[in-house]
Amino acid sequence: KNEVEQSPQNLTAQEGEFITINCSYSVGISALHWLQQHPGGGIVSLFMLSSGKKKHGRLIATINIQEKHSSLHITASHPRDSAVYICAVGTGNQFYFGTGTSLTVIP
Amino acid sequence: GAVVSQHPSRVICKSGTSVKIECRSLDFQATTMFWYRQFPKQSLMLMATSNEGSKATYEQGVEKDKFLINHASLTLSTLTVTSAHPEDSSFYICSARGGGAPDTQYFGPGTRLTVL
Repeated sequence: KNEVEQSPQNLTAQEGEFITINCSYSVGISALHWLQQHPGGGIVSLFMLSSGKKKHGRLIATINIQEKHSSLHITASHPRDSAVYICAVGTGNQFYFGTGTSLTVIP
Repeated sequence: GAVVSQHPSRVICKSGTSVKIECRSLDFQATTMFWYRQFPKQSLMLMATSNEGSKATYEQGVEKDKFLINHASLTLSTLTVTSAHPEDSSFYICSARGGGAPDTQYFGPGTRLTVL
């Protein structure tokens, strides 16, 4: 069993749709990261959070420590949002990565 | 936010040659840097952890003589893939951690290595 599980694995949406990607983890964490990886491979760190909610532009990340669950939301999705979104959790000693959610936004 | 750069972003080399990848923290001092490897359609896998001025700690199954890691300064770590072979072709990513909270990691953009 993976320490970090993401769902869905693949997601196709129409431009403008509201998108939610989920991440569940089984270890005690000190921080959770959401990463974005574009088709060329480059990785961008979107959020690092340990509680509550963070917002940056059209992206919103939430975390529920008690339920060991985090969500990444994209409002008014756009084709340029097409990428793989990776959830990663840190325990203070180790990092665990989800396998990613491949998002395709169709114009 | 903090910025981590990698150079080169892409490299193609012949089998048997060595390739050096640099990871730099541009606006903070990175006491610890991490090197990851990612195979196609798989998640990132930690290869090694390096602390400035000391030897890197390698994960199980990672050959330390093949993947040489140097962290000589607080802003630079290098990964050298020695005697590269086609199976070493992969995406290599570094991240850097400063003196703040344990999980304040900042990720580099990655380096695509292709060994012919």
